[in-house]
Order: sequence, then C-alpha cells, then structure tokens
Amino acid sequence: DSGVTQTPKHLITATGQRVTLRCSPRSGDLSVYWYQQSLDQGLQFLIQYYNGEERAKGNILERFSAQQFPDLHSELNLSSLELGDSALYFCASSPHAGLAGGLGGELFFGEGSRLTVL
Amino acid sequence: TQLLEQSPQFLSIQEGENLTVYCNSSSVFSSLQWYRQEPGEGPVLLVTVVTGGEVKKLKRLTFQFGDARKDSSLHITAAQPGDTGLYLCAGAGDYGQNFVFGPGTRLSVLP
Repeated sequence: DSGVTQTPKHLITATGQRVTLRCSPRSGDLSVYWYQQSLDQGLQFLIQYYNGEERAKGNILERFSAQQFPDLHSELNLSSLELGDSALYFCASSPHAGLAGGLGGELFFGEGSRLTVL
Repeated sequence: TQLLEQSPQFLSIQEGENLTVYCNSSSVFSSLQWYRQEPGEGPVLLVTVVTGGEVKKLKRLTFQFGDARKDSSLHITAAQPGDTGLYLCAGAGDYGQNFVFGPGTRLSVLP
C-alpha cells in the first residue's frame, strides 16, 4: 500500500460527458502528479501541483483541468470526453516540489482510476 | 522534450533464465529511476541512480547508470514468476521539473 488513494477505481461513461477523478496523497506529501497511461502512449505526465499551486504542466489537453485543495487532495476533471480518453489515470505524490537535479525523489503511485468512454 | 526509449518492448522467458532490459535517451538525466508495475496496480520504485557509472544491486536485480547519464540497464539473474510485470524507467532532467517515463518493457516469466 503506497498510501495514495484514488477514487473511483473504475468509471464507465459516454462520449461528451464530464468526470472527476479524486486523489488523496500520502500523509505529509505536498506534491501531487497526474499521469495518463494508455497501451499506445505509455505513462504520460499531465500536471503537477505543489502545496496548492500548479508546479509543472505536461501533455494535458485543454479539456482537462486539475486542482489541489487546501487539504492537499487533488481532483482531475475531464470534460467533453472522447473515445481516445479511455485510459488508466494515475495520481502520484511526493514530498518534494520537483525532482531537483540529483535529488531523485521517489514518486508514490495510487492504484489508478480506469476510465472507459463508450 | 526528453524522450526515453526502452528495449525490448516485450520479453517472455522461462524461470531461471537471466535477462537484461535497456533504457536509452539522447538527453542527460540528473537521476534515473526504475519502477515495476504489476497488473491492476501503480508503478512501484525499485531503485534510483544518480551518478554516471553507478551500479546498484537489489537482490537478483542489478541496475547500472551509463557513464554519460543517458542510458541505464536492468539485469535480472535467475528470473522468477514473481518478476513478471511492466518495467519502467523514468528520468529527471537537469532542470528537474518533470519526470519523464519510458514506454516500458513488459516481462513475462513462465514457470
């Protein structure tokens, strides 16, 4: 058990709909990362929050948005869903603001939320 | 954008065999990590290497970071079915903001 909790574990919805994925980081971790994992794209970094502020942005679509709340939990909002958005969405947490050179901080991943868009 | 390549993409071997998987990039990384992901779970960190030429051992797993810090290898001795999973390498650039993952090597160890 990594200590990172993600809900829901599975979600099936239709194209055009909107969903919210939730992540609770490990106790004490200030950074939350969101990743998308699909069979053909691998593990793609979407966005990182550190202590409530956006820290880094990756390949996140404009239809997607995220936020981190004062209690440090985070939500990833996916809207106008398309078939290609079907994937596993992982949240990871870390005590670090980023991976400063040589620091090599560990990412702790949740079990993921499997989204299926029909 | 820093890109990581991993090879082979798939590997199926018999229990007891040795294997090596590779992680390569044209970019220099300040640190490189290996994760293992089992079905239905998130990736779990195996090791972090930060110094060029560094070798780390974790039981039957040996990790090496290239001298130029652009590549890494993972060698498994006497593979066991419990080693089955997706092995991911991930690199942190010198700027250290984003964690880039390779596409992974999917290993299957048959009893």
